Amino acid sequence: QSALTQPPSVSGSPGQSVTISCTGTISDVGTYNRVSWYQQPPGAAPKLLIYEVSNRPSGVPDRFSGSKSGNTASLTISGLQAEDEADYYCSSYTSSSPHVVFGGGTKLTVL
Amino acid sequence: EEQLLESGGGLVHSGGSLRLSCAASGFAFSSYAMSWVRQAPGKGLEWVSAVSGSGDNTYYADSVRGRFTISRDNSKNTLYVQMNSLRVEDTAVYYCAKAYFPSYYYYGLDVWGQGTTVTVSS
Repeated sequence: QSALTQPPSVSGSPGQSVTISCTGTISDVGTYNRVSWYQQPPGAAPKLLIYEVSNRPSGVPDRFSGSKSGNTASLTISGLQAEDEADYYCSSYTSSSPHVVFGGGTKLTVL
Repeated sequence: EEQLLESGGGLVHSGGSLRLSCAASGFAFSSYAMSWVRQAPGKGLEWVSAVSGSGDNTYYADSVRGRFTISRDNSKNTLYVQMNSLRVEDTAVYYCAKAYFPSYYYYGLDVWGQGTTVTVSS
């Protein structure tokens, strides 16, 4: 199945807010509230930030928030910090087997 | 603390085989679906395969179906993937990951290993 579409890169200054989009189709993001977001710092493994569109696992700061409108999900990071510089990936349940699809990833640069 | 530790990566020639392992600790391993996710050099994440908690149900990406076999030994808290007929394009860091919701590998992965590197040469 086709990957979800993310912008290759975004940037922001410390303290600012940035939003990363994740565009899918009616077969995934548009129908199911099963979007997850992951943060991957350079050289590290991914970390789950958001599940079910907008829920944060224990320990994830509330600076990270998720939302969805139509076929597009979004991750917003407020109060940017230098440590937020990383790659961010979205993922969604999809009706097509094998039922999981990732986005291509977005590199966040903190200026 | 929930932890996953992969092993078994290495350099193999095209057409060769490799078996990766993932040792789990700190959670009820047999209750959770598990996945393998890979990342080619400089590329994004690609879901590869998953197995139910019991091991009875397995799932594969089209790119590896028929070549890779996922399995688990719940008595050893260990996940495996047997990779046969390896291709250059299988070169990647392979991560094992735990399902956030026990029965659903596709609703989020909350614990990841550090990854093991597989390099397939031509």
